[in-house]
Amino acid sequence: DIQMTQSPSSLSASVGDRVTITCQGSQDVGSRLNWYQQKAGKPPKLLIYDISNLETGVPSRFRGFGSGTDFTLVISGLQPEDFAAYYCQQYHDLPYTFGQGTELEIK
Amino acid sequence: EVRLVESGGGLVKPGGSLRLSCVASGIEFNYAWMTWVRQAPGKGPEWVGHIRGIPDGETREYASPVKGRFTISRDDSRNTVYLQLNSLRTEDTAVYYCAKDRPLTGGGVVSYWGQGTQVTVSS
Repeated sequence: DIQMTQSPSSLSASVGDRVTITCQGSQDVGSRLNWYQQKAGKPPKLLIYDISNLETGVPSRFRGFGSGTDFTLVISGLQPEDFAAYYCQQYHDLPYTFGQGTELEIK
Repeated sequence: EVRLVESGGGLVKPGGSLRLSCVASGIEFNYAWMTWVRQAPGKGPEWVGHIRGIPDGETREYASPVKGRFTISRDDSRNTVYLQLNSLRTEDTAVYYCAKDRPLTGGGVVSYWGQGTQVTVSS
């Protein structure tokens, strides 16, 4: 199975900050890398698919970058509603696998 | 509007069984690849498996930890997908989500999620 490793596991930031979350795959996943946001008690929500494509309705302050094994989610101008957990996920190979998550907290 | 509504979760003893259901609306169900994802307390999501749509032969794939114990099936006349959980273990305790992918992504880009149903395996 492809292992997806995120860093950091948690992150404190303030409203208006720019934050970066990284995700590394144990193998090349090509362009098949997605990012999800999850708030407590809710299902995950798709933010970005195929490295950099914003899902419909997702604000442009969310951006994704990377290729191969190394990927980045950048959130610019943090808003109060952005404080949540974030997960990367590969779908290059079955089984599809998620990272362990990054918890973004208010400083 | 796409809606996915799960049911069937509960408390079960180790070795026991449960059947989860997910009723879908707002989609062309016959063509949809339907996915189950679970999330244990304090952990990230874990892909459980999926079943392809009618045009793709309704074939299934499973994650290793559940292969041979869990079975995904579908009833296209009822717009419903099922997850049969057998030989349950304590480590199967999780919220189980029914999900549907973005079209043409082979089940890999999950755009729609149900609210989840809790499965607790404990003696």
